[in-house]
Amino acid sequence: DVKVTQSSRYLVKRTGEKVFLECVQDMDHENMFWYRQDPGLGLRLIYFSYDVKMKEKGDIPEGYSVSREKKERFSLILESASTNQTSMYLCASTLGGAPLEPQHFGDGTRLSIL
Amino acid sequence: AQSVTQLDSHVSVSEGTPVLLRCNYSSSYSPSLFWYVQHPNKGLQLLLKYTSAATLVKGINGFEAEFKKSETSFHLTKPSAHMSDAAEYFCIVSGGNQGGKLIFGQGTELSVKP
Repeated sequence: DVKVTQSSRYLVKRTGEKVFLECVQDMDHENMFWYRQDPGLGLRLIYFSYDVKMKEKGDIPEGYSVSREKKERFSLILESASTNQTSMYLCASTLGGAPLEPQHFGDGTRLSIL
Repeated sequence: AQSVTQLDSHVSVSEGTPVLLRCNYSSSYSPSLFWYVQHPNKGLQLLLKYTSAATLVKGINGFEAEFKKSETSFHLTKPSAHMSDAAEYFCIVSGGNQGGKLIFGQGTELSVKP
């Protein structure tokens, strides 16, 4: 079974802090994704990556950056956290070059910015 | 362009009665369609996927969905609801590009009454 692990289930940070959310997958997947989930807005794609050191902007990249130094790890960075970034963050991964393959999701990180 | 619409934001059923969660899609080519389930404070779990092999797709936990091209629908059904089915359900179409970028419906919250 594919395992996607997000390092924190709950996180509380202060406005202006630099925040790192970590995601690791154990199935050698090429593609990794970061989403945020908000009530009434569903899931929205922040960034994704097709390979190590590659990144692509999703639908709402503003205020975020990502890092993919190793294939199994995809980090989401909030450069200067703001209260409107309080949300549930979900990481996912899938095989590369296989658009029919489903994404596998982590359990999420519920982030609160005070 | 592709899109997906879940026709009900909330569905309530009694335990033991059938479940119907409705999903319509729009796609300029033959789509890949998925249903995922999300239990509270958890990530998304794949229920089933349609990838053009068969129009009636069986998934986990007794769920199934039927792809109807003429109606551009992919409704999720289950003959008999169980209390553990209470969760949020997402209908998703694959973007068809490399890496399986997903387009999400807004979600349907299923409540199951005893």
